Amino acid sequence: AQKITQTQPGMFVQEKEAVTLDCTYDTSDPSYGLFWYKQPSSGEMIFLIYQGSYDQQNATEGRYSLNFQKARKSANLVISASQLGDSAMYFCAMRRKNTNAGKSTFGDGTTLTVKP
Amino acid sequence: EPEVTQTPSHQVTQMGQEVILRCVPISNHLYFYWYRQILGQKVEFLVSFYNNEISEKSEIFDDQFSVERPDGSNFTLKIRSTKLEDSAMYFCASTPGDSGAEKLFFGSGTQLSVL
Repeated sequence: AQKITQTQPGMFVQEKEAVTLDCTYDTSDPSYGLFWYKQPSSGEMIFLIYQGSYDQQNATEGRYSLNFQKARKSANLVISASQLGDSAMYFCAMRRKNTNAGKSTFGDGTTLTVKP
Repeated sequence: EPEVTQTPSHQVTQMGQEVILRCVPISNHLYFYWYRQILGQKVEFLVSFYNNEISEKSEIFDDQFSVERPDGSNFTLKIRSTKLEDSAMYFCASTPGDSGAEKLFFGSGTQLSVL
């Protein structure tokens, strides 16, 4: 079974500063993928970034980077230079990696508010 | 970027009524999913579908739920007799493959309200 834990229900950050959203996971699968999705108040789910469990380097996508610490089973999202439009709910998710990866398991989410 | 489309965006129904939520996955995708989200809470897996059959389902997906791909483009979720607790945002998603490295391509969701 897979489990994702996001311990921060809400976070505040000042515009232009960096913020880290925490995600820890638990799985017995040796190979897995970790994802972050953003959900603005409009409700749609937007993919942000992906990290494979065997990837040697931490993933980066523009202002988003994933601080992957495999031994600690953590996959924290770092948003640099926060913008007002970053205010949203953020979900960490994982899938096992094999020929039948199946479902994604999501955490409870973190609501990020960017202050001007 | 290609999109998953869902209709309707909002659905209001009376308890006990049947509802059908519709989705058009991305055309070259092979794996289809339904997730639901109750009032801004966590996103919960309902069912995955591949090659015209259910490949995995959660404990939420009981006998009241069914999925169908009636033609080459649509993917539907039917709730036979809705309950108040079925009120949620229902997301359809698709992926081109199933290796585990693919992101979910989500539709914009159907907000279901059961009165």
